[in-house]
Amino acid sequence: GENVEQHPSTLSVQEGDSAVIKCTYSDSASNYFPWYKQELGKRPQLIIDIRSNVGEKKDQRIAVTLNKTAKHFSLHITETQPEDSAVYFCAASFTGDDKIIFGKGTRLHILP
Amino acid sequence: DTGVSQDPRHKITKRGQNVTFRCDPISEHNRLYWYRQTLGQGPEFLTYFQNEAQLEKSRLLSDRFSAERPKGSFSTLEIQRTEQGDSAMYLCASSFFPGLETQYFGPGTRLLVL
Repeated sequence: GENVEQHPSTLSVQEGDSAVIKCTYSDSASNYFPWYKQELGKRPQLIIDIRSNVGEKKDQRIAVTLNKTAKHFSLHITETQPEDSAVYFCAASFTGDDKIIFGKGTRLHILP
Repeated sequence: DTGVSQDPRHKITKRGQNVTFRCDPISEHNRLYWYRQTLGQGPEFLTYFQNEAQLEKSRLLSDRFSAERPKGSFSTLEIQRTEQGDSAMYLCASSFFPGLETQYFGPGTRLLVL
């Protein structure tokens, strides 16, 4: 069925270090993979997305990689800052439905 | 503010009552989605519309839930005979199709059923 698995559920990194969050998806035909950041009490905000025709996309300190063969994709945040503390959700589209399914989220803590 | 808006932002109701939430999408967006989010979980897809047509409903959506988008602009989500398990954040998102598929979320309506 339609499923997106996300790991880890919680991640603590020292300020300035890198953080990596990984997701796998079940539908080999998925072609759109957004990442959302949600701060406490606020709406999910899109931070980066990638489509299946590319393997990597970067936007300043944030990058996403996609391995279609293995059906997994990852979010990389470099030089982490306190304001990066939030819950991050990966998602994948499911062909034919034009909807996206979210992972359960990763709570990222940036330690001073 | 030209983003997605939702009303009310908070709703407290007693078990068995009916509630209705409203979502106003970004004006040029033809797709509108409803999600439910509980604490510690990602948004769960409930249903979505393209213009006024409801294209899919999740199996999660019991027959107590109904959504409409009569003129292809704003949408309403009604929950009848609310149960305590309905307590959650109800999020709305909109996008433009065909296009980049990016969904923009509203601030949500937090429902508490006592």
